[in-house]
Formats: sequence, C-alpha cells, structure tokens
Amino acid sequence: EVVLTQSPVTLSLSPGERATLSCRASQSVDTYLAWFQQRPGQAPRLLIYDVSHRATGIPPRFSGSGSGTDFTLTISNLEPEDSAVYYCQQRKNWPRTFGQGTKVEIK
Amino acid sequence: QVQLMQSGAEVKKPGASVIVSCKASGYSFTNYYMHWVRQAPGQGPEWMGVISPTSGIRNYAPKFQGRLIMTTDTSTSTVYMDLRSLRDDDTAVYYCTRGGEITCVGDGCPQSDFWGQGTLVTVSS
Repeated sequence: EVVLTQSPVTLSLSPGERATLSCRASQSVDTYLAWFQQRPGQAPRLLIYDVSHRATGIPPRFSGSGSGTDFTLTISNLEPEDSAVYYCQQRKNWPRTFGQGTKVEIK
Repeated sequence: QVQLMQSGAEVKKPGASVIVSCKASGYSFTNYYMHWVRQAPGQGPEWMGVISPTSGIRNYAPKFQGRLIMTTDTSTSTVYMDLRSLRDDDTAVYYCTRGGEITCVGDGCPQSDFWGQGTLVTVSS
C-alpha cells in the first residue's frame, strides 16, 4: 500500500504567519491527493482534493500543490481557528491511505 | 443540505459483531459512493472500504477482508457497516463519508466532502 509521510509532526506559528505542510508518498499518486483538517472532537473536514481544488466553502488562504510523490498544503495568514491536525490522503491506489498528520498550533 | 446521520455508540465484547448505520439525506443517494473510515483514540484516520449504492460493488482494505461487510438499502438511503470478530484494537470512532459521484472520473472529483457525526464503538471485556 501507499505510505504517506507528513512533516513536520508539529508546527507552532503565530497568527498572520504562513504554514507549509508536506506530504510525501512512497510511490506516485499522480494528482489524487487530498487534504483534511480535523479539530478535536470533530470529523475530518475536506479542504483540498486532487492536489489543488479547494472544497466548497474553503477560503483561498488554503492552497495545495505538487504531483507524483511530493505535495504541499499552504495556509496563508494563519488564524486562531486554523489550530487543528491536518491529514493528507491518496486515492490513486487501493487501499486508500492517510498520512499520520501534522498538528498546527497557533501561538 | 447533505446530511449523514449515524447510529449511536456501541459497547461490545471481544469476538462479537457490531453494525453501524449511516442514513443519507439531501442528495441523490444512488449517485455517490459511500466510504467508511475509522479513527482509534489518538490516532489518524484509517480507510476501511467503499461501496457503490447502485451496483453493490465493494472494495475493502486488506486488513478487514473476511470480517467486514458493507451493505446498502436504497429504499431508505442507508448504508451499513458490519464488523465481526471484534478485538480490543477495533475500539474507535467509525465514520461514514460520501465518496465521489459515480459518473465523475479522473481528476477534479471531490471525495469525502461530507461526513457523518461518527459512532464510537468500544470493545472491552
């Protein structure tokens, strides 16, 4: 199965700064890579699908890029509400797999 | 509005089975796949499988083969997840999540844009 490795494990930034999250796949997943946000006690929320398509209602502060094996989620102008764990997921190969997550903390 | 309403929390003993239901509303049920994802305490999400409500075609993660069954009831727009031979490490929150539109292929098809509220399944002797 495809292993997704996310880095860093934790990111601690101040409001207004930019967060850059990485997701690396053990083999190519083409452009079939999504990003989810999960706040404590809530279900994951789709942010980005197929690398760079923002889901409905997601502000342009969230953007995705990459292809093949290396992907990035960028959150510009961080807000306190962005404090959460972010997961990547691939849908190129079965079984679908998730990364282990990056926790974003807002100082 | 799209809603996925799951059944309530369950407590089961090791070796037992659990069935979690997910009732969909607000969209055409037969036009979208449905996935199940679980999340153990303090862990990341884990994809379990997917079912097509129209064809009944299923795809399960290898680790669940032989003890996971997904079914649908199109008359009530409900999907069921039946996990058997429960173990302690099956303790998790189980989510249903709407997959892609069946007719949408290739790039640009949103997946898992809606999630149920989650069902806590506790396995304990």
